[in-house]
Amino acid sequence: DQQVKQNSPSLSVQEGRISILNCDYTNSMFDYFLWYKKYPAEGPTFLISISSIKDKNEDGRFTVFLNKSAKHLSLHIVPSQPGDSAVYFCARGGGSNYKLTFGKGTLLTVNP
Amino acid sequence: GAGVSQSPSNKVTEKGKDVELRCDPISGHTALYWYRQSLGQGLEFLIYFQGNSAPDKSGLPSDRFSAERTGGSVSTLTIQRTQQEDSAVYLCASTLVAGTGANVLTFGAGSRLTVL
Repeated sequence: DQQVKQNSPSLSVQEGRISILNCDYTNSMFDYFLWYKKYPAEGPTFLISISSIKDKNEDGRFTVFLNKSAKHLSLHIVPSQPGDSAVYFCARGGGSNYKLTFGKGTLLTVNP
Repeated sequence: GAGVSQSPSNKVTEKGKDVELRCDPISGHTALYWYRQSLGQGLEFLIYFQGNSAPDKSGLPSDRFSAERTGGSVSTLTIQRTQQEDSAVYLCASTLVAGTGANVLTFGAGSRLTVL
């Protein structure tokens, strides 16, 4: 069973500081992990992905780190902005997997 | 169209009634997915279409749920004899070709279903 777990339902940070969102997984058979962001009453939007052959992928303020030995990935947002307040989902899939399996999400609140 | 379009955006129905939810994917996208998000839950996979065929229906919760896709484009998700536990946001997503690269799905805004 390819499970993805986000153990923190919520996270609150101050504007300008770093936000770290975490995700754990079971089973090592994957090609990619993806992060999606979801605002209320909108669909999830793709944020950033990381391939299984990498340890890090960076896009502007967003960096995803993959620790394969710990079966753990994290999304870092630096600096955090109030507009980043949303629910963040990690998902696994890609490559030969035609569907994405999502975690339950973490609600990030960035306080001005 | 420019994005994935879903209708209705909100639907309130009485227990036992049938509902139809529509999804219009991005033009040219061959793969189409239905997910749902119940209160406090993650995104739950329901069904996947490649063209007009559905190779994976494993996520449909019961035989009250069905979906079809015609012309390789529009898809309809039908829920018969709705129950209160069917209340959720139903999300449709599409991608150009499934299983390539990171397989990034583009989601619609969803249809919020409330069963009274």
